[in-house]
Amino acid sequence: AQRVTQPEKLLSVFKGAPVELKCNYSYSGSPELFWYVQYSRQRLQLLLRHISRESIKGFTADLNKGETSFHLKKPFAQEEDSAMYYCALSETDSWGKLQFGAGTQVVVTP
Amino acid sequence: ETGVTQSPTHLIKTRGQQVTLRCSSQSGHNTVSWYQQALGQGPQFIFQYYREEENGRGNFPPRFSGLQFPNYSSELNVNALELDDSALYLCASSRGGAESEKLFFGSGTQLSVL
Repeated sequence: AQRVTQPEKLLSVFKGAPVELKCNYSYSGSPELFWYVQYSRQRLQLLLRHISRESIKGFTADLNKGETSFHLKKPFAQEEDSAMYYCALSETDSWGKLQFGAGTQVVVTP
Repeated sequence: ETGVTQSPTHLIKTRGQQVTLRCSSQSGHNTVSWYQQALGQGPQFIFQYYREEENGRGNFPPRFSGLQFPNYSSELNVNALELDDSALYLCASSRGGAESEKLFFGSGTQLSVL
């Protein structure tokens, strides 16, 4: 069963505009949620994880258990934010065994 | 610090053949996870190895098997290849314990089954 849903395959925004990538999950336990990013010609890499409650490269994501969402946000998009973004979920005590969404391609135009 | 390396980068096989993909984990990492990424999809978890033992498996048939060696490098073996096995295979390594969630990915092996 699909546990992680990213409804947007492509998100096109202008530089300086806010950007929000949606991620919804389906899991009855206490999940660990992550955002991974893949820049052009680079490897997939961790952007942030909800337990850290950190802001990386201006991005933040809040886990909303009521809405089962973990949307990624940035108030002012930059051209270097253009990349493929994947939301991922790890079930309780399933360290490192991630379930990824299908990804959202972000294109930031000047 | 040496990153995760995978070999080969590309591979073409025919249906019914067998294939072995290799992964060297990042220095200091004892856990290796394998993922399959079909075109236009996110990575899908195949299995994980921790200290040479399988430590969890996704929804993949037994013809997908693996090994982890004492130096924590790993192999993914696929028998009786099918056309649907065509995908990018990603290896990711991590430290144990609380840092297991931070995966470091290799560049992948692109497998084409004809």
